Amino acid sequence: AQSVTQLDSHVSVSEGTPVLLRCNYSSSYSPSLFWYVQHPNKGLQLLLKYTSAATLVKGINGFEAEFKKSETSFHLTKPSAHMSDAAEYFCVVSLGAGTASKLTFGTGTRLQVTL
Amino acid sequence: EAGVTQFPSHSVIEKGQTVTLRCDPISGHDNLYWYRRVMGKEIKFLLHFVKESKQDESGMPNNRFLAERTGGTYSTLKVQPAELEDSGVYFCASSRANEQFFGPGTRLTVL
Repeated sequence: AQSVTQLDSHVSVSEGTPVLLRCNYSSSYSPSLFWYVQHPNKGLQLLLKYTSAATLVKGINGFEAEFKKSETSFHLTKPSAHMSDAAEYFCVVSLGAGTASKLTFGTGTRLQVTL
Repeated sequence: EAGVTQFPSHSVIEKGQTVTLRCDPISGHDNLYWYRRVMGKEIKFLLHFVKESKQDESGMPNNRFLAERTGGTYSTLKVQPAELEDSGVYFCASSRANEQFFGPGTRLTVL
């Protein structure tokens, strides 16, 4: 069985300040982990993915996440928030790399960016 | 390259009616998935096609839901008869390997 827990349902930051969205996972196997983002009225877009290579993963738009097995965490960070980052973010887990299998989603974190 | 498309974008129906959602995957993607987000809940897996075959349908909630992918191209998801609890956003995704590309979703409202 696999699951993810997103610790915050809402996060609010000021433009130009760091972003931290927290995610903990549980998996019986070596997981693949993903962060997806959904902007209003848009589809889910892949931000980044971890598939057992480097533990620090860089994604699009300046986001990155670090896989920490000892903490079972995969937190998403960005050094400086931009207004366009306001969206809902999903931490996602699936079975190991190279496997076309179902995704298990967290409940989502809504990021608000203020001036 | 065109992305995953879904039709309709919104559907409002009455309880007891039938609705059919359509998904067109990215050309060449053998894997096609359906997911659903009921309001206030997480996005949940419904089923997975590999070409025209159902690989995993463990997430289908009950037999009122029927998914097909004839010819291994587009897929349809029929809900018959619809119930109030079927309201939500239905997402389709496609992939070649393990990176799934999502469509914009169909928002279904059952009154």
